[in-house]
Amino acid sequence: QSVLTQPPSVSAAPGQKVTISCSGSSSNIGKFYVSWYQQLPGAAPKLLIYEDNKRPSGIPDRFSGSRSGTSATLDITGLQTGDEADYYCAAEGGSFSTFVFATGTKVTVL
Amino acid sequence: EVQLLESGGGLVQPGGSLRLSCAVSGFTFSSYWMNWVRQAPGKGLEWVANINPDGREEKYVGSVRGRFTVSRDNAKNSLYLQMNSLRDDDTAVYYCGRGVSWSLDSWGQGTLVTVSS
Repeated sequence: QSVLTQPPSVSAAPGQKVTISCSGSSSNIGKFYVSWYQQLPGAAPKLLIYEDNKRPSGIPDRFSGSRSGTSATLDITGLQTGDEADYYCAAEGGSFSTFVFATGTKVTVL
Repeated sequence: EVQLLESGGGLVQPGGSLRLSCAVSGFTFSSYWMNWVRQAPGKGLEWVANINPDGREEKYVGSVRGRFTVSRDNAKNSLYLQMNSLRDDDTAVYYCGRGVSWSLDSWGQGTLVTVSS
């Protein structure tokens, strides 16, 4: 069981928006930056967002992140079929100041 | 181009040992924290361990502490994970990842470790 929790699944039609929440505590999200990862089926994870709301080069601005208090959010706008994947948030703040991933959310494009 | 390539996975019996390697290229390896992350079949990501640039600081998730050891050879641009006393629940794909700004910005393709009798 992770100390960070996400909804198991979210879905929307193409072109719509989905929001994925990531809930933690004052020991992790409340104190440290959040990052977000996309894992397409059969592929390695890929960094989407770092330091709460920054996008690496090549990540479209349809993906945006935010953090407030002990929660963080990933928004995906203009949903595309290629966005069907598992999405994970992560932060420092596990036991012994380690890194921790959330449980993950499966995004389905209807 | 940043590249990370894991190797060393395979089938091992419970209680056995295995050493994973991650060969990197395309960046100054000795300047970065490096991480191991695993994913059990059909499950989510689990951070396993990391090591600082000079190899003097290591951190582990509780379930592997005392059994796994992360190390690096900056001269060989390589990261390692020595896994001892392996258990069934260590079965997973193991990824190496580069640490940047409290995130993992580059990942390898993973190597599968299967612990089974």
